[in-house]
Amino acid sequence: AQKITQTQPGMFVQEKEAVTLDCTYDTSDPSYGLFWYKQPSSGEMIFLIYQGSYDQQNATEGRYSLNFQKARKSANLVISASQLGDSAMYFCAMREVAGNQFYFGTGTSLTVIP
Amino acid sequence: GAVVSQHPSRVICKSGTSVKIECRSLDFQATTMFWYRQFPKKSLMLMATSNEGSKATYEQGVEKDKFLINHASLTLSTLTVTSAHPEDSSFYICSAAIPGMGEQYFGPGTRLTVT
Repeated sequence: AQKITQTQPGMFVQEKEAVTLDCTYDTSDPSYGLFWYKQPSSGEMIFLIYQGSYDQQNATEGRYSLNFQKARKSANLVISASQLGDSAMYFCAMREVAGNQFYFGTGTSLTVIP
Repeated sequence: GAVVSQHPSRVICKSGTSVKIECRSLDFQATTMFWYRQFPKKSLMLMATSNEGSKATYEQGVEKDKFLINHASLTLSTLTVTSAHPEDSSFYICSAAIPGMGEQYFGPGTRLTVT
């Protein structure tokens, strides 16, 4: 079974609007971490936001927030006030405490329209 | 945040030659580094986990004799693609994890083209 599922291969959003990128995960480990990374066309992976499985509050980092719904095993990324520079691939990832390995989703390509 | 460098950023080599890619953690010690391969418009595929002072752990289907990994120090891991072939052309990314539940820090990647 897929550890991380991103069901939106491509998304479009109008500049200055908010957009939600979906991510669901599968684990039986009670302790895990969830991450979002941005990969622009240059290829570098840029860390955006982290949510621990025991964190009570949703993580926020500037314009990024993570909508963590533990019972549903979802960790959607919300980008507010989209900017043209937000156009990139976005990857959701999970790390289980049991191991060092990161599991990545297949990614969502976000295009911000002026 | 922590910085991971990767060198070279791009390399073109002839079929049959070997290529070494370096991954360095610049401002922290990384006991574990990871090597990924990424095909165009695809996700990152974990190739191996590199452990300082011990042998790397390879994922299923990754040829350990072809992709040699050495983690010689707490700040350096190298990936050597031996006897490269055109099908080895890809984007290779390394990362280092700060112990605990912290994020992985990624290098900028190396684009390998084998002609």
